[in-house]
Amino acid sequence: NAGVTQTPKFQVLKTGQSMTLQCAQDMNHNSMYWYRQDPGMGLRLIYYSASEGTTDKGEVPNGYNVSRLNKREFSLRLESAAPSQTSVYFCASSLESMNQPQHFGDGTRLSIL
Amino acid sequence: ENQVEHSPHFLGPQQGDVASMSCTYSVSRFNNLQWYRQNTGMGPKHLLSMYSAGYEKQKGRLNATLLKNGSSLYITAVQPEDSATYFCAVVRSGGYQKVTFGIGTKLQVIP
Repeated sequence: NAGVTQTPKFQVLKTGQSMTLQCAQDMNHNSMYWYRQDPGMGLRLIYYSASEGTTDKGEVPNGYNVSRLNKREFSLRLESAAPSQTSVYFCASSLESMNQPQHFGDGTRLSIL
Repeated sequence: ENQVEHSPHFLGPQQGDVASMSCTYSVSRFNNLQWYRQNTGMGPKHLLSMYSAGYEKQKGRLNATLLKNGSSLYITAVQPEDSATYFCAVVRSGGYQKVTFGIGTKLQVIP
């Protein structure tokens, strides 16, 4: 099984450009999450989807939008990228809720110039 | 504010030694604590979860205990492949900041 797959692995954008980070899981999990990881800080939750058709804000949602396309796929969109959004982005999933172990993808390394 | 702190930030044991690390947390409405490991350039991988103070869990060479406001993790007979960053995630019941991750302890095993 592939687990959680993220694309792309690397991306460089210019300030003001938009892009969508893709995430798919093949474990039939209900809950999916987007995090960012910055130097000297723990993972921070951007948005999550407790189940297909629902999304909720996490700790740092400003500047981002998400779409739970179906049970497998959860995308993260930057509408107008800013240098402060330079980070490593991780998608994760869990069977039912955040109370359960999360399975992470290997991340998208995003640089915004 | 919900916080998770790790100690030490860096650990460099010799191969075969015991590695000892811990995290402390300050959160409201605690639900459970999870330990993860992360290799450089990879996503975190879940190691184990604990739910109430006094809870102990062993998984292979990993041994973890949940204390009132923290957790300790021991890795016995460390091997070079154990080198990674280990961190806690504290899950709350309710609220926006449902999960708080620590920065972790970087373990570098000396062969």
